[in-house]
Amino acid sequence: GAVVSQHPSWVICKSGTSVKIECRSLDFQATTMFWYRQFPKQSLMLMATSNEGSKATYEQGVEKDKFLINHASLTLSTLTVTSAHPEDSSFYICSARQRDPPYEQYFGPGTRLTVT
Amino acid sequence: GENVEQHPSTLSVQEGDSAVIKCTYSDSASNYFPWYKQELGKGPQLIIDIRSNVGEKKDQRIAVTLNKTAKHFSLHITETQPEDSAVYFCAASYSGGYQKVTFGTGTKLQVIP
Repeated sequence: GAVVSQHPSWVICKSGTSVKIECRSLDFQATTMFWYRQFPKQSLMLMATSNEGSKATYEQGVEKDKFLINHASLTLSTLTVTSAHPEDSSFYICSARQRDPPYEQYFGPGTRLTVT
Repeated sequence: GENVEQHPSTLSVQEGDSAVIKCTYSDSASNYFPWYKQELGKGPQLIIDIRSNVGEKKDQRIAVTLNKTAKHFSLHITETQPEDSAVYFCAASYSGGYQKVTFGTGTKLQVIP
């Protein structure tokens, strides 16, 4: 089946620093990738939709200058949390949508971010 | 936008019994309904999905039903096993999954050996 990887799987950073998370589709091409955020015992909340070669589309309430998304190729999207604060601590999950029908989405294993 | 409600939030069943999770959606344009299983500390895994042109789909011990008129869909797990214990999310999307999916609030399923 289709595999999506994320790197790193967990990261601890100090308040004020920036952190980059990578999302890769390993065995298929994905023109679109989605970035989600999940707080403990809660559902996944879509942050932004990342399209290869174009600007990401952010959901209402998500600061695009704080969560920088780059989708440089058909297999790689990155999320950079800039000037991280403790409230940014969360589980970040990406998904990659197949380029062709039936457009199934496959999720990465997630990245646990802790900001101290 | 789409709103997906999911019930129950927690569900405990004895091993071997059946489990049913129900979801309702608000946008009649939605036509793709995936179900995901999420284990602790991991990303969601697609376990089954259904599109609006069918009313039921089965895959071994898992089945999903869809009632477009009432705008609700359900996940049925038969002969539950301890390894079925996880959080299950329903979701809805339109354009056959091309657009973003909206997740339900999740159901924590515990299968008691």
